[in-house]
Amino acid sequence: DILMTQSPSSLSASVGDRVTITCRASQYISSSLNWYQQKPGQAPKLLIYTASRLQSGVPSRFSGSGSGTDFTLTISTLQPEDFATYFCQQSYSIDMYTFGQGTKLEIK
Amino acid sequence: QVQLQESGPGLVKPSGTLSLTCTVSGASMSGHYWWTWVRQSPAKGLEWIGQIFHSGNTKYNPSLKSRVIISLDKAKKEFSVEFKSVTAADTAVYYCVRDALEIGGGEPTDWFDSWGQGVLVTVSS
Repeated sequence: DILMTQSPSSLSASVGDRVTITCRASQYISSSLNWYQQKPGQAPKLLIYTASRLQSGVPSRFSGSGSGTDFTLTISTLQPEDFATYFCQQSYSIDMYTFGQGTKLEIK
Repeated sequence: QVQLQESGPGLVKPSGTLSLTCTVSGASMSGHYWWTWVRQSPAKGLEWIGQIFHSGNTKYNPSLKSRVIISLDKAKKEFSVEFKSVTAADTAVYYCVRDALEIGGGEPTDWFDSWGQGVLVTVSS
């Protein structure tokens, strides 16, 4: 299985901050990397797909980059509604999709 | 706007069978989509269970394959998962998900673009 490792596991930040979350794959996955946001009691929500493409309706302060094994999710200017847990997911191995363990973004 | 809604019992006895159904509204079940089940538990995080295409083709997580069957009823716009011989380790929130497939000029790729709200299933006597 492709192991997805996110860092940090948790992060404290303030409204207005720029935040970057990293996801590393245990092997090459091209650009087959997706990012999701999950708030307590809710299902994950797609933010970014194929590493850098913004899902319709998602604010432009969210962006993604990377290819190969190293990827980042950036929130340019944190808003109060952005405090949540973020997950990466690889779709390169189509017979076994895997997720990162999550990064919990908390208010400082 | 596609919507997915899980239904099924919230409590299953150990060694029993867990059965859940997902009802799809607002979209056709045909097209370039895999209809997918994902579960989430504190111990294992988000875990892909398996998926089914409108043709009936299926793919399963190898670690779960011996216990899982996913089926589809296009007329009812439903797909289902059946999990046999459950244990406490199968306690989780189960989500039904639409996996959107893009087949373009480059490599095919896909992403989980729509999720049901999730249903908590507890395995306990």
